[in-house]
Amino acid sequence: DGGITQSPKYLFRKEGQNVTLSCEQNLNHDAMYWYRQDPGQGLRLIYYSQIVNDFQKGDIAEGYSVSREKKESFPLTVTSAQKNPTAFYLCASSPGLVYNEQFFGPGTRLTVL
Amino acid sequence: SQELEQSPQSLIVQEGKNLTINCTSSKTLYGLYWYKQKYGEGLIFLMMLQKGGEEKSHEKITAKLDEKKQQSSLHITASQPSHAGIYLCGADGGSQGNLIFGKGTKLSVKP
Repeated sequence: DGGITQSPKYLFRKEGQNVTLSCEQNLNHDAMYWYRQDPGQGLRLIYYSQIVNDFQKGDIAEGYSVSREKKESFPLTVTSAQKNPTAFYLCASSPGLVYNEQFFGPGTRLTVL
Repeated sequence: SQELEQSPQSLIVQEGKNLTINCTSSKTLYGLYWYKQKYGEGLIFLMMLQKGGEEKSHEKITAKLDEKKQQSSLHITASQPSHAGIYLCGADGGSQGNLIFGKGTKLSVKP
């Protein structure tokens, strides 16, 4: 079955540590996205990638980094520079950038202790 | 920048009742998407609307995009507990290709 997987489901991190969230898709989609969701808030775009080896900053990229070495994979690293990293992180993909619904993974809940 | 406002923020209905959720945009909508989210889970795509006046239905859920393409409504007929969750509208965000989202409407259905 095609879809998007994110791992782990829950992640705990100590302050000052970097942590990487995994996102994999087997839908053969070109575009991939990372969003952050906070309680009572909509989704905010962190980074997106239109094609392998290319990615762009979204609205809240500070303190995050990404890579897109393979079409299927778009990992997100939350660095120690991110001042308030506790949140629900959602990865999505779409066939292209325009007029295409995005398919979402199940999310990763990151908690900083 | 474009903003999406959803109303109401939360809604509690008795099972079997009808309900409507609205999504209003600050700019013309060129693609409007409705998603449903269970707490702590990913978003499930419901429907996409592009043309003014367009209406789509899936099971007991109907979504419409008004003629001026600045507002969409999601209507659920004869609500069931399985309809409970958070409904989010999203719109094509322009050059970045991402979607911008409303803050969501939390729906609870009482048996």
